[in-house]
Amino acid sequence: DTAVSQTPKYLVTQMGNDKSIKCEQNLGHDTMYWYKQDSKKFLKIMFSYNNKELIINETVPNRFSPKSPDKAHLNLHINSLELGDSAVYFCASSQGPPNEQFFGPGTRLTVL
Amino acid sequence: GESVGLHLPTLSVQEGDNSIINCAYSNSASDYFIWYKQESGKGPQFIIDIRSNMDKRQGQRVTVLLNKTVKHLSLQIAATQPGDSAVYFCAEKFKAAGNKLTFGGGTRVLVKP
Repeated sequence: DTAVSQTPKYLVTQMGNDKSIKCEQNLGHDTMYWYKQDSKKFLKIMFSYNNKELIINETVPNRFSPKSPDKAHLNLHINSLELGDSAVYFCASSQGPPNEQFFGPGTRLTVL
Repeated sequence: GESVGLHLPTLSVQEGDNSIINCAYSNSASDYFIWYKQESGKGPQFIIDIRSNMDKRQGQRVTVLLNKTVKHLSLQIAATQPGDSAVYFCAEKFKAAGNKLTFGGGTRVLVKP
């Protein structure tokens, strides 16, 4: 069984659209994260939630809104998509910082 | 700045040789470091971690060395195999940054048969 899963794996959409990426972890971890990986492979944290509470919120446009309905799920909603949003988005989880983070398979978002 | 180390250089290694991947980190207050491996089309996968109160830690075929004096981290892979071909990332954590991991730019390792 997949520990951290994301859907969809690929997402192709037009500029201006609104889209969501879902993440679920079955590891019983308290903390979940969203990362963005650009075309040069640079991996940067966007958000972190601990027990449904936002604890890290990097300098991310407010078009990005994470939502954690429970500690096993952390979804990412993006409004008014822009070309620069094209990237691979990774969800991760850990049992409290700073322990090892387990990453999902990624969602490749392409904005046309 | 927050950047840790590398800007995706490439290391070509002959199968069976040892690999050494280097990383310079930015914050002397960082207390935890971790290495990840990312294969093409997949998410990063944990390799090994080390806390700042240690200078060496060994895993299966991997060793991480930490030199706090010069803020340098390295990953050594023994007897490199084709399956080791991937991008390798180091990351650091320091409490002032809210316990988040800050990743370096990655090193691509290519194993030649």
